[in-house]
Formats: sequence, structure tokens, C-alpha cells
Amino acid sequence: QSVLTQPPSVSGAPGQRVTISCTGSSSNFGSQFDVHWYKQVPGTAPKLLISANNYRPSGVPDRFSVSKSGTSASLAITGLQAEDEADYYCQSYASSLSVVVFGGGTKLTVL
Amino acid sequence: EVRLVESGGGLVQPGGSLRLSCTTSGFVFDDYTMHWVRQAPGKGLEWVSVVYWDGGNRKYADSVRGRFTVSRDNTRDSLVLQMDSLRIEDTAFYYCVKDLNPFDVTGFEMASWGLGTLVTVSS
Repeated sequence: QSVLTQPPSVSGAPGQRVTISCTGSSSNFGSQFDVHWYKQVPGTAPKLLISANNYRPSGVPDRFSVSKSGTSASLAITGLQAEDEADYYCQSYASSLSVVVFGGGTKLTVL
Repeated sequence: EVRLVESGGGLVQPGGSLRLSCTTSGFVFDDYTMHWVRQAPGKGLEWVSVVYWDGGNRKYADSVRGRFTVSRDNTRDSLVLQMDSLRIEDTAFYYCVKDLNPFDVTGFEMASWGLGTLVTVSS
């Protein structure tokens, strides 16, 4: 069981908006809960998609955004496209445990 | 262009050892915190270890602490993961990863990833 909890799967039709949640516990993360998001197309290495402060690497469109409330974070994707179909992972640093943690991953299916 | 190339993977018996290397180029290696992240076939990502930019601090996942040792050679711009007492559950692709920001010690945004090297632990 991951320290960060994500839904196993989400889906949406092209053009729709979907969100992926990532939840941690306050005992592990305290008041600092900076969550970064990665996209992985099966058979390839993961890539940083968007960081906690909304930094997007070159080439990542602004259809991707992040939000946070307490120890819960979300990745929002608007204007869903077929190329968005992939696995998405959240990641943070659990300072109380001195470890980096990933969520279990969410498979996004574009219908 | 940032390049991270892992090597050293292969087949090893349970209880054996393996040494992974990551050769880097395209950035000032000394300035960046580096990680190892692994992914078992068909499974999710699992962080393994981090070594801070100055080599002064290293952290490990509970699953590998005491068996794996991370090190860096700033003269050769390379990262190493020494893996001892390997277990079947260590079977995975191992990725070398570079932080986004120089001198980072808490943010740990993993900006650049290698292609990975496959470690298979089996008898």
C-alpha cells in the first residue's frame, strides 16, 4: 500500500476534463505537501509532467494543472486528447520518514 | 541536452550482487541531486535511493536499506548503485534520475530520466 493514494483508473471522452487525486496523511507529510506529477506511456521511461508549483517542462501544454488542499493534491487535464492516454504518478517527499514516495499510479483511458 | 545512460543490469541469483552505473552528460553533474527509481514489470514506480548534490547525504527506501549503497563520482559525472543480498522482489527496471533544480535537498522534482536497465533476480 502506497503512502500516496491514487485511483487505479480514470477515463474521459475527448475534449472532456478529468482529474486525478493524490492523497497522503498528515502524519507523514505534515504541513509541507509538495506533489509532482509524472506521465508514463507504457514501454517508455516516465517524464516529469508538472511540478507542485505548476512548472511544466517544455512541450507540456497548459491543459495540465495542479491544485492542493491540505494533504490532498489533484492533477487536472482539460480538453482531453488521445495522446493523454497513459499512466500518471504523483510523487512527494515525506520529511517525517526521510523518503521519497510515489503514488500507486492512475491509468487514464481516453474513450 | 541532458543524457543519462544506465548500465550494469542483468540476471543474478538470489543473494548475489550487482553494480549499476549511470553515466551522465549535458549538465553540471556536481550541482544536482540524483536518484535511483525502479519499476517491476507491470507495476508502479518505486523510489530506491537519493544522493544529494554534494554527496554528503544519502537516503534509502525501507525495502533496500542495508542492502543497497548509492554513491557518486563527481570527477567522472557518474552515479552508482551497489546492490547486495539481492532478492527476487528486486527484479525491476532501474532508472537513473536527475533533479530539476540545482542544489535541491527537499523538492525532488525528477526532471530527467534515463531509459533504464533491467535487473532480474532469479535462480
